[in-house]
Amino acid sequence: DVKVTQSSRYLVKRTGEKVFLECVQDMDHENMFWYRQDPGLGLRLIYFSYDVKMKEKGDIPEGYSVSREKKERFSLILESASTNQTSMYLCASSPGQKGYTFGSGTRLTVV
Amino acid sequence: GQNIDQPTEMTATEGAIVQINCTYQTSGFNGLFWYQQHAGEAPTFLSYNVLDGLEEKGRFSSFLSRSKGYSYLLLKELQMKDSASYLCAVRGAAGNKLTFGGGTRVLVKP
Repeated sequence: DVKVTQSSRYLVKRTGEKVFLECVQDMDHENMFWYRQDPGLGLRLIYFSYDVKMKEKGDIPEGYSVSREKKERFSLILESASTNQTSMYLCASSPGQKGYTFGSGTRLTVV
Repeated sequence: GQNIDQPTEMTATEGAIVQINCTYQTSGFNGLFWYQQHAGEAPTFLSYNVLDGLEEKGRFSSFLSRSKGYSYLLLKELQMKDSASYLCAVRGAAGNKLTFGGGTRVLVKP
């Protein structure tokens, strides 16, 4: 089975901190994605990547950046965390024209 | 752009059938997915439709009508463990991005 691992299940950070959310997949998938999930809003795409060193903006990229230096790892960076970035963050990977496998999620609270 | 609508919440009785509808308006279409998500857990894949018609997989079936921009997920012989959120997602014409609806929370009662 494909495994997508997110480094932290729960995080609490202070406003203004730089925050790194890490995601690793073990099946050599080209495509990786970062979503946030909020009640009533569903999953919204922040950034995605189709290959190493490639990145594209999703629907809500403001306040975020990403890094994909290795195929298996896709990092989401909050340059200066704000309270409106308190959310559940979900990473997913996919081998092309197929569905996603999701990680377990990171619940981030910014205080 | 993409717009995907599904009901917010549904309640059903154990052993019954529930149908979750999903309507979409997209700039392109290359498949529709259904995911199940239990509280506090990651979404897991349930079904995929790219052609019109019904796909059956055990107790779960999914239907697609591309001309109507409509899909449904049918859950039969409901069990308590089916209490979860069900997410409808559409893949656009280009690339492998999925756009998700807000999810339908299904509560199964004894």
